Amino acid sequence: NAGVTQTPKFQVLKTGQSMTLQCAQDMNHNSMYWYRQDPGMGLRLIYYSASEGTTDKGEVPNGYNVSRLNKREFSLRLESAAPSQTSVYFCASRETANSPLHFGNGTRLTVT
Amino acid sequence: EDKVVQSPLSLVVHEGDTVTLNCSYEVTNFRSLLWYKQEKKAPTFLFMLTSSGIEKKSGRLSSILDKKELFSILNITATQTGDSAVYLCAVEPLGGNLIFGKGTKLSVKP
Repeated sequence: NAGVTQTPKFQVLKTGQSMTLQCAQDMNHNSMYWYRQDPGMGLRLIYYSASEGTTDKGEVPNGYNVSRLNKREFSLRLESAAPSQTSVYFCASRETANSPLHFGNGTRLTVT
Repeated sequence: EDKVVQSPLSLVVHEGDTVTLNCSYEVTNFRSLLWYKQEKKAPTFLFMLTSSGIEKKSGRLSSILDKKELFSILNITATQTGDSAVYLCAVEPLGGNLIFGKGTKLSVKP
């Protein structure tokens, strides 16, 4: 039972490059989320998808786009990476609004 | 503005000690409060506390929610080195998304 799977685990980008972070869950959860975690800042919500076919901005959406490809997959795209986007990115999912989040193992992204 | 504040930010204890981690919050229309443990990678779920469940216990870990005073505590008794981690508190308002605190880093020395 894989849970929430994120790829890649690590990535180094140069300023201006683009990339897509992939996330897939096998728990048949309706809602999926992208967070970033920075030292001293806690987990901050970038975008979320309450159900297949919908996406909404979170607290820090600037510089990012998302796609809910199907019920299982939710990707995060950086069109033009900036050093301020250096962070650890976590994907999470949950069954309903009143259930706990299940997190993936994260992607450590460095933008130089 | 909704916010979650955890204290202390870090602490160091020795094996066998009991620790109490604090989480206070200001949230409009409270739905639930959650505790997570984060070691090297993904945060893992510990407890969810709601109006209908204000006290939870699992082994050496326990948590209570005080909705009147707007705080929660996480207690760990007889600590072990494996308890070393960052403990995250998050609060969910009705109709909103989880708001995370900055975490408490616990180090348990042998």
